[in-house]
Amino acid sequence: EAQVTQNPRYLITVTGKKLTVTCSQNMNHEYMSWYRQDPGLGLRQIYYSMNVEVTDKGDVPEGYKVSRKEKRNFPLILESPSPNQTSLYFCASSARQGYEQYFGPGTRLTVT
Amino acid sequence: QKEVEQNSGPLSVPEGAIASLNCTYSDRGSQSFFWYRQYSGKSPELIMSIYSNGDKEDGRFTAQLNKASQYVSLLIRDSQPSDSATYLCAVERDTGRRALTFGSGTRLQVQP
Repeated sequence: EAQVTQNPRYLITVTGKKLTVTCSQNMNHEYMSWYRQDPGLGLRQIYYSMNVEVTDKGDVPEGYKVSRKEKRNFPLILESPSPNQTSLYFCASSARQGYEQYFGPGTRLTVT
Repeated sequence: QKEVEQNSGPLSVPEGAIASLNCTYSDRGSQSFFWYRQYSGKSPELIMSIYSNGDKEDGRFTAQLNKASQYVSLLIRDSQPSDSATYLCAVERDTGRRALTFGSGTRLQVQP
């Protein structure tokens, strides 16, 4: 089954404790992206990657890091999480830019 | 001015009626347009994509694009209670990174 998976689905952590949210897709997609969704602000892009070893900032990259060492994986790293990063995070992938993006199930992160 | 604007709703329609959802965008160079449906707590699910002016039909859904007026709409015919969800308009901006920008969504309620 073609899908985008994320782990963990739910995470409660404390300020400053490094964490990684994994994202994996099995569709051989070149393009992957991370979004956060907050009430009243909608979905905002954090980082994106056009291919292996090619990543770039989205609209709200501060406080986040990403890497793309393999085509299928695109982890999101929070080196020192803060409460304002409490949000619902989605990973997405598409065959190419301009094509439809398919979303993972989401990761609900709470930073206390 | 927001880059992608939608009426937040809720838009309430009776079962069997046509629901009309609208979206305007500010970047005149935008090339790709998408409608996603999102149930509460779930990930966005792609409904329609449209790339050229005019109408595109898929089952009960019709997407309409007018680049001159910078709006895109979604019509849902024979609305069902299961269509009750938030509908997100997404636009791929004509920037160097061709990011996907989402509107905040319109909440649709279909009354049985």
